[in-house]
Amino acid sequence: GDSVTQMEGPVTLSEEAFLTINCTYTATGYPSLFWYVQYPGEGLQLLLKATKADDKGSNKGFEATYRKETTSFHLEKGSVQVSDSAVYFCALTWGGSEKLVFGKGTKLTVNP
Amino acid sequence: GAVVSQHPSRVICKSGTSVKIECRSLDFQATTMFWYRQFPKQSLMLMATSNEGSKATYEQGVEKDKFLINHASLTLSTLTVTSAHPEDSSFYICSVGRGGYNEQFFGPGTRLTVL
Repeated sequence: GDSVTQMEGPVTLSEEAFLTINCTYTATGYPSLFWYVQYPGEGLQLLLKATKADDKGSNKGFEATYRKETTSFHLEKGSVQVSDSAVYFCALTWGGSEKLVFGKGTKLTVNP
Repeated sequence: GAVVSQHPSRVICKSGTSVKIECRSLDFQATTMFWYRQFPKQSLMLMATSNEGSKATYEQGVEKDKFLINHASLTLSTLTVTSAHPEDSSFYICSVGRGGYNEQFFGPGTRLTVL
């Protein structure tokens, strides 16, 4: 079935470091891809999304490009801040469904 | 987007009691809502899909008699954990699907602790 695989965490970085969190997917057809962020003690917030191949989603300095050839949607940020410390989830939907398939999440800690 | 609330944000109860968690869609009518459980070490598990006016669709392995879901109106879905036990302690999150957006909007979550 459809699935999402994220890099295992936790990830610890210093402020202003470059961030990459890898995400690959397995799906039939052409899914829509998402990154959600969960700050401590809170629910999930949509960070960015892409609905077709070669689309780039971006928000708050984060970017991810939908790569059909490598079935990937890696999350990147050029310079992380302490406030970016959170858990990041890669997810997909397919076929117009609203049902999300999540990766296991990657915990990011940014130290000053 | 959409604004989703959950109540309560935290609840502590004794083993054997039942707990009801509400999920409200504040700014639009939601025909579909989803309930998730988040385990330690982050992973999210979809428990069920709640459809307004009909029975919820439960994921494999989720006890429907244990986790009662009622979606009686287009703005409210409730999850009742019946005869709660310590192993039911978890973070429960609801979300709403909004037709045409191809995405879900999440509530802030409810932390359940069963003593």
